[in-house]
Amino acid sequence: DGGITQSPKYLFRKEGQNVTLSCEQNLNHDAMYWYRQDPGQGLRLIYYSQIVNDFQKGDIAEGYSVSREKKESFPLTVTSAQKNPTAFYLCASRRPGQRVSGNTIYFGEGSWLTVV
Amino acid sequence: AQSVTQLDSHVSVSEGTPVLLRCNYSSSYSPSLFWYVQHPNKGLQLLLKYTSAATLVKGINGFEAEFKKSETSFHLTKPSAHMSDAAEYFCVVSFSGGYNKLIFGAGTRLAVHP
Repeated sequence: DGGITQSPKYLFRKEGQNVTLSCEQNLNHDAMYWYRQDPGQGLRLIYYSQIVNDFQKGDIAEGYSVSREKKESFPLTVTSAQKNPTAFYLCASRRPGQRVSGNTIYFGEGSWLTVV
Repeated sequence: AQSVTQLDSHVSVSEGTPVLLRCNYSSSYSPSLFWYVQHPNKGLQLLLKYTSAATLVKGINGFEAEFKKSETSFHLTKPSAHMSDAAEYFCVVSFSGGYNKLIFGAGTRLAVHP
């Protein structure tokens, strides 16, 4: 079955450490997204990528980095510069060839990141 | 500026009674509107979407929503709540004139009591 796979489900980060969250999709989607979700808040966009080798900052990109070397993969690195990284992270993707307006975005199951 | 407001952070209903989750948006452009559901520790699942076709949209699990342009609203309803409907619901807006992103509401947590 096609879908979006995020790993790991749970991750613990020590102070000053960089960690990377994996996102893989086999839906042949061009556009991919990373969102952060905090309790009681809606999702906030960290980064998005519309095609391979291209990505754009979202609303809260500081302290994060991404790469898009393959169509299927869009990993997110949470760097030590992100001072409050504890959150639920969601990866998403969208069908090719159309703008987001009117087009469904599909989400992965999410990854919990906790600072210890 | 574009925005979306979910008017209730928590809604509690009894099983078998109607559900109403309210959403209002603000946009200078023609919006597309979505409702997503999120069960605990899970990703978001699409319930339904409006994309300038019929104003009454039917979704999965018996949910439906009506787009009212004059009221800038897109409220989610279900005639009879089921225990499995207990979850977080997000109203989401995208804009044909905007750049490539979505605007999420803060979410409404629906509790269903026996």
